[in-house]
Amino acid sequence: GENVEQHPSTLSVQEGDSAVIKCTYSDSASNYFPWYKQELGKGPQLIIDIRSNVGEKKDQRIAVTLNKTAKHFSLHITETQPEDSAVYFCAASWGGGATNKLIFGTGTLLAVQP
Amino acid sequence: DAGVTQSPTHLIKTRGQHVTLRCSPISGHKSVSWYQQVLGQGPQFIFQYYEKEERGRGNFPDRFSARQFPNYSSELNVNALLLGDSALYLCASSGQGIYEQYFGPGTRLTVT
Repeated sequence: GENVEQHPSTLSVQEGDSAVIKCTYSDSASNYFPWYKQELGKGPQLIIDIRSNVGEKKDQRIAVTLNKTAKHFSLHITETQPEDSAVYFCAASWGGGATNKLIFGTGTLLAVQP
Repeated sequence: DAGVTQSPTHLIKTRGQHVTLRCSPISGHKSVSWYQQVLGQGPQFIFQYYEKEERGRGNFPDRFSARQFPNYSSELNVNALLLGDSALYLCASSGQGIYEQYFGPGTRLTVT
C-alpha cells in the first residue's frame, strides 16, 4: 500500500549548522511532495513543496530535492536557528485530481541547540 | 486573511458518546480534508470533500462521517467513541488545483 518512510526520527544540531531530513515513498504515481513544520500545540504549517516535474526547489534557508527514480526526497535547512526547532513531516500525494490525500511520514523532531 | 479555523479547540468525551467537530476553510477554498493525528505520529487521512461531495475516504470505520455545507465549512462526526479515538483532529483546506493543503490548529479530543 501507500507508504512514506522518514529518517531520522530525531535530529539535534548546533545553531548555524545544516539539517537534512530524508523521505522515501512507495507509490510511483505520487506527484506532489510537501513538507510541514509542526510546533507544539499547533497544526502543521506548509513550509515548502515540490512537484514531480522539478528536481529541486529553494526558498531562502530551506530547500527540497526530489529523485523520482529512487523515490526519494529530502529537506535541507541551512544556517539553522533555535526557532527552527519543531517536528517536521514529509508527505506525498497524487495531486491535481479529484482526490488529493496526503500520506505523511512519521516525523522528525529537530532540536537546534543555541 | 483568516486561516483555517476549527472548533472546539479541546473536547473531553466519554466512551460511547458521539462528537461533532467543525471546520471553516480559508476564504475562497472549496476543498476540505480531515486528518487524525495520534500523539507521536503523522496525520492520517480520514475524508476529503470538494464542492460538497465526498472525494476520498481513508481507512476509518463507518463510525466516522463528515459533510460539507454550501458555504464550504465542514463537520466531522464520530459515533460510539472509543478510547483509541483520542487524537488531534486536523482540518485542511485547499483551493484551485487542489495541490497545497493548509491546516488549521486542530481539535484535541480526549475520550475517557
